[in-house]
This record gives sequence, C-alpha cells and structure tokens, in this order.
Amino acid sequence: AQSVTQLDSQVPVFEEAPVELRCNYSSSVSVYLFWYVQYPNQGLQLLLKYLSGSTLVKGINGFEAEFNKSQTSFHLRKPSVHISDTAEYFCAVSPLTGGGNKLTFGTGTQLKVEL
Amino acid sequence: DTEVTQTPKHLVMGMTNKKSLKCEQHMGHRAMYWYKQKAKKPPELMFVYSYEKLSINESVPSRFSPECPNSSLLNLHLHALQPEDSALYLCASSQVRGSSLSGANVLTFGAGSRLTVL
Repeated sequence: AQSVTQLDSQVPVFEEAPVELRCNYSSSVSVYLFWYVQYPNQGLQLLLKYLSGSTLVKGINGFEAEFNKSQTSFHLRKPSVHISDTAEYFCAVSPLTGGGNKLTFGTGTQLKVEL
Repeated sequence: DTEVTQTPKHLVMGMTNKKSLKCEQHMGHRAMYWYKQKAKKPPELMFVYSYEKLSINESVPSRFSPECPNSSLLNLHLHALQPEDSALYLCASSQVRGSSLSGANVLTFGAGSRLTVL
C-alpha cells in the first residue's frame, strides 16, 4: 500500500516570492509521482509527473519538482508565484506494478498568493 | 481533443430520485474512473473500468451504479442517495497500464459534477 503526506495544509505567500510545497510518500514498491492542481470549482489538472529518468521534472505554469528517492520526497517549487497560482495542490503516487492505475492522493495544500 | 467532459455540472436531487452523471472522452483512453471529492478533501476512488469492464470497485454502496456503454462513455447512476453523498464527482480517463510508458498512469480529469442531495 502507498501513502502520501502533505504536511502543510495551507501556504500563504506574497506575489513574486518563491514557494515550495512539500510532499513525502511511503510505499513498499516503486511508484510514479504526480502533482495535480485544482482551481476553485474545477477538476484536477496535471502539473507534472515523474515516471523515470531525470529526477528534476518541469511542468506547466513554471512549476518544477525534484524526486528524492532516499528521502522519499517529491517537493513542488516555483521561483516566483502569481496571484493566479492560488489553488489547491495535490501530490499523488501510483505503483509501478500491480494495483491497476490507482492514484493515492495526499490531503492537499492550499496555496494562497497575496499581493 | 484532450478533454474529459462531464454533465451535468450541477445536480440537486431528493433522496427518492433517480438521476445519472455522464462522462465522455475522445482521447482513445480505455481506462475510465469515478472519484468522489468532499469539500477540503482529496479525491477518493470509487470505480475503475478497463476496456469497458469494471476492474475496481472500492466497496461503494449499491445506490451508486456505474455503467460503461462504450469506450468513450462512462455513466454513474444514482438512486436513493443520502445527504452525505453530496460531493463533487470527478470522472477521469487514462491509457491502460501496459501501453506506452508516457501515458500509463497519467489521468486526465473532467471538471466534475457537483451533486447536492436534499
């Protein structure tokens, strides 16, 4: 079984400041890793994914994340945030083998960008 | 076309009503999913269809009845729901595991159907 921990339920940040949203996971098998964003009253949109290869992954809207296997982390970063980045961010994992395509989500981090 | 379309966007129903949520995708994906999301919570998996056959049912009550009539459509039939079933219902689709690596496990979500049960 897999579990995902997003320790920060809310992260306030000023516009144009950098931000890091933390994600740690636990799994007995190797996993794929994802970050999804959910804007108010909308569905989930894929920000970026780590399937294999380079551990630094770049996504849409200037976001990037780094997979750290030894620390079982996949933190999301953006060097300069914009008001429009205000949203809920979910980290998720899926096992490489077995378990179908089941995604296990973290509890989410509300990013609030202020002027 | 890289979208998953869900209808209706909003639905209000009584506990004795029968209604359906619909989901459509034209990306050639052969895996489709229903998730339930309560306010301020992550999505919870309900059902997975693979090649139009139910492959995962996460112990969902029988008042929720999924149907996959073809490779592009996924329905969720609702009957005798309870107020605690009020939530955002999300549909998603993906390639089936075992197909191309780049598509495997990458779910595309619809905008959701917000259900209120009175």
